[in-house]
Amino acid sequence: DAKTTQPNSMESNEEEPVHLPCNHSTISGTDYIHWYRQLPSQGPEYVIHGLTSNVNNRMASLAIAEDRKSSTLILHRATLRDAAVYYCIYLIQGAQKLVFGQGTRLTINP
Amino acid sequence: SAVISQKPSRDICQRGTSLTIQCQVDSQVTMMFWYRQQPGQSLTLIATANQGSEATYESGFVIDKFPISRPNLTFSTLTVSNMSPEDSSIYLCSVRPTGGMGHREAFFGQGTRLTVV
Repeated sequence: DAKTTQPNSMESNEEEPVHLPCNHSTISGTDYIHWYRQLPSQGPEYVIHGLTSNVNNRMASLAIAEDRKSSTLILHRATLRDAAVYYCIYLIQGAQKLVFGQGTRLTINP
Repeated sequence: SAVISQKPSRDICQRGTSLTIQCQVDSQVTMMFWYRQQPGQSLTLIATANQGSEATYESGFVIDKFPISRPNLTFSTLTVSNMSPEDSSIYLCSVRPTGGMGHREAFFGQGTRLTVV
């Protein structure tokens, strides 16, 4: 299974940017990087994904290192509703199933 | 996108009994995935269910304990059999459209919170 490494927990303040790191040193050139988050008492929801270039959407930005062995999920202006567990996953080419690591529990302080 | 409905949303069951969890998707999908999330833990994949074939189970999960049905492209059930308190978890259904090079997002149901007493 594709293994990623994330900090167990992080804390930030409301309305400040948050940078959530992820290491995926065994990734290969065609494996996509996905980020999901799980709000309390809900199923995971998709946040963003990328392959090589940095990506932006309405929820977040994804910065991918040049060697692709790490990536950073960026929440530009955190709100209390962003408090969740964030999971970084990479999909081996052709794989359909998502294999979850332990994720990062993000706490947002008012 | 896909909207997933799971039933029941929660249940409290006696040990030794079985519970069947239903997962309904609003669009046709080839693969459906069942996960378990034990208290305070991450998600663990139980099995992958393809329509018209036997489910594929992950290491540590067996068909006798977690039988799965997949009668059509929008529906699946997971049964938790002969339950013990260790089966108390949240069970989640997920789908991910096939095709492409890995860029398709997955969708999850809200989960079924099971407590075994």
